[in-house]
Amino acid sequence: KAGVTQTPRYLIKTRGQQVTLSCSPISGHRSVSWYQQTPGQGLQFLFEYFSETQRNKGNFPGRFSGRQFSNSRSEMNVSTLELGDSALYLCASSKMLTTGVFGNTEAFFGQGTRLTVV
Amino acid sequence: GIQVEQSPPDLILQEGANSTLRCNFSDSVNNLQWFHQNPWGQLINLFYIPSGTKQNGRLSATTVATERYSLLYISSSQTTDSGVYFCAVPASGGSYIPTFGRGTSLIVHP
Repeated sequence: KAGVTQTPRYLIKTRGQQVTLSCSPISGHRSVSWYQQTPGQGLQFLFEYFSETQRNKGNFPGRFSGRQFSNSRSEMNVSTLELGDSALYLCASSKMLTTGVFGNTEAFFGQGTRLTVV
Repeated sequence: GIQVEQSPPDLILQEGANSTLRCNFSDSVNNLQWFHQNPWGQLINLFYIPSGTKQNGRLSATTVATERYSLLYISSSQTTDSGVYFCAVPASGGSYIPTFGRGTSLIVHP
């Protein structure tokens, strides 16, 4: 079956712009979570959605937001881009019945979107 | 929150060598996953292993939850094993936010 699909794969934006990234989970998976990876901070959790509701949120400013649609596809948005937002953004999906993304089931990751802010 | 430490941070091997990567965590967990990040950035699931031992080909993993560590064994390494290996556990205190280690960067030379 198809894996987690993230689009676009690469993106270059100018400081101050906003950007929207998309994530399509594995069929049947209802939980989608987002992560930022930078050389300095490593892999950091952004937020998690289940059944169109944000259930967990990491320690990121309000410029980072997301949503999930009824088909479980998710988007994340970053407004007023800063140079420090340059990163690899990964999303993961899991079946997730009653617990969070790392409750008691595996999470599967997409290939990521590499965002460069200039 | 929970602390996750991976060692060694860097590892360089000749093809065919064996290696052991370690993941220590500071609190009890009910979930642990190992991932391999390939040079293109994708995180590939290796093991979902909250406890016990699992094997998949040349790779195996053991988690001793009571002693708060997990080990990833790579035998007969190949150049395609190069990349960064991460372990991830849930944050403590009932949260399900995952915490990742800083990773072990592995380079396998032919």
